[in-house]
Amino acid sequence: EPEVTQTPSHQVTQMGQEVILRCVPISNHLYFYWYRQILGQKVEFLVSFYNNEISEKSEIFDDQFSVERPDGSNFTLKIRSTKLEDSAMYFCATGQTNTGELFFGEGSRLTVL
Amino acid sequence: QKEVEQNSGPLSVPEGAIASLNCTYSDRVSQSFFWYRQYSGKSPELIMSIYSNGDKEDGRFTAQLNKASQYVSLLIRDSQPSDSATYLCAVNIEREKLTFGTGTRLTIIP
Repeated sequence: EPEVTQTPSHQVTQMGQEVILRCVPISNHLYFYWYRQILGQKVEFLVSFYNNEISEKSEIFDDQFSVERPDGSNFTLKIRSTKLEDSAMYFCATGQTNTGELFFGEGSRLTVL
Repeated sequence: QKEVEQNSGPLSVPEGAIASLNCTYSDRVSQSFFWYRQYSGKSPELIMSIYSNGDKEDGRFTAQLNKASQYVSLLIRDSQPSDSATYLCAVNIEREKLTFGTGTRLTIIP
């Protein structure tokens, strides 16, 4: 069964460092998303990406965040200067359509010290 | 603020019984509704989608939608221990964005 693959599974970083989280979407999916889940809290939307551009972003997705799909396969989330409150599980999700029927990757746990 | 509300539980149901999970949402124009299952430490997994009023059945799962009452529910028949998980209600409130509830933790008691 096709799946969304995320790397790394866990990253520990110092506050102020840059972090890049990577996702390989399911091959025929056109819509890509990043969500995050702080421990014990709800899953929160960060950004949606379609046709090589951001289609929607949340208030969380400020200037410290960026996304790109540089090589047509990997979909990346970059956090330029991490803060303690960025510690969370980051989920990549993809869909064939933008209806909300999403396939989630296993997540990348980010710990900022 | 556009919200999705769920009872956080925990909800305990005996094995073989029907588990009933409920969700309300605040935005009347929402069109798409989903139930995701999340096992502890794992990612959300889509189990049901529903787009029109009424019931939609898939195996042991039935989703029910009432747009007038802004209410969506999930029934799990013949509950199994493997159904023990957190069930997330999600609503497509804004075009490309799913808004999730906090989830209801369900425990099936053998």
